[in-house]
Amino acid sequence: GNSVTQMEGPVTLSEEAFLTINCTYTATGYPSLFWYVQYPGEGLQLLLKATKADDKGSNKGFEATYRKETTSFHLEKGSVQVSDSAVYFCALSLNYGGSQGNLIFGKGTKLSVKP
Amino acid sequence: SQTIHQWPATLVQPVGSPLSLECTVEGTSNPNLYWYRQAAGRGLQLLFYSVGIGQISSEVPQNLSASRPQDRQFILSSKKLLLSDSGFYLCAWNTGGLYNEQFFGPGTRLTVL
Repeated sequence: GNSVTQMEGPVTLSEEAFLTINCTYTATGYPSLFWYVQYPGEGLQLLLKATKADDKGSNKGFEATYRKETTSFHLEKGSVQVSDSAVYFCALSLNYGGSQGNLIFGKGTKLSVKP
Repeated sequence: SQTIHQWPATLVQPVGSPLSLECTVEGTSNPNLYWYRQAAGRGLQLLFYSVGIGQISSEVPQNLSASRPQDRQFILSSKKLLLSDSGFYLCAWNTGGLYNEQFFGPGTRLTVL
């Protein structure tokens, strides 16, 4: 079946450290891939997306590249800030009509950045 | 621009009481609408989705129900709450377009005592 697997958290980093959060997926067809971020007590915000193989999504210094050969969409940031502390969700969407726009989410990875 | 509202923001209810959570979307028409639950320390669980007025699909059998009385209104209900219904409830919408990204509301924190 279709699924998303994220690295287990929590992840604790010092400010200005390099961040990688791993995400791999299993899907039939050609999914679109997303990273969402959830700040404490809030809903989810779309962070970035990629809709086909080799696409790179980027936003607010975060990047992720759609790797079809390794079925991965790892999230990276070169220098994290305290304000990046949040829970990050990887998700996929199956691009055919029967999916009705549903997303499949990973379990989320909590990131804490210390000053 | 499109916005999505949820209310109430927080709710404390006794076991066995009824529930009604509301979600409305502005600035778009005929959206797909979704209800998710996020239990403490866990990921998102899709509860219901709707592709049109009166059309509800349930993903997980439970004591909750959903209704869509208007194009941009989505309601989550229960006749009798359980302790296990506590959690953070998120509403989301999308256009059902090719890439299917969803946009989320601010959520409702429900505590059942």
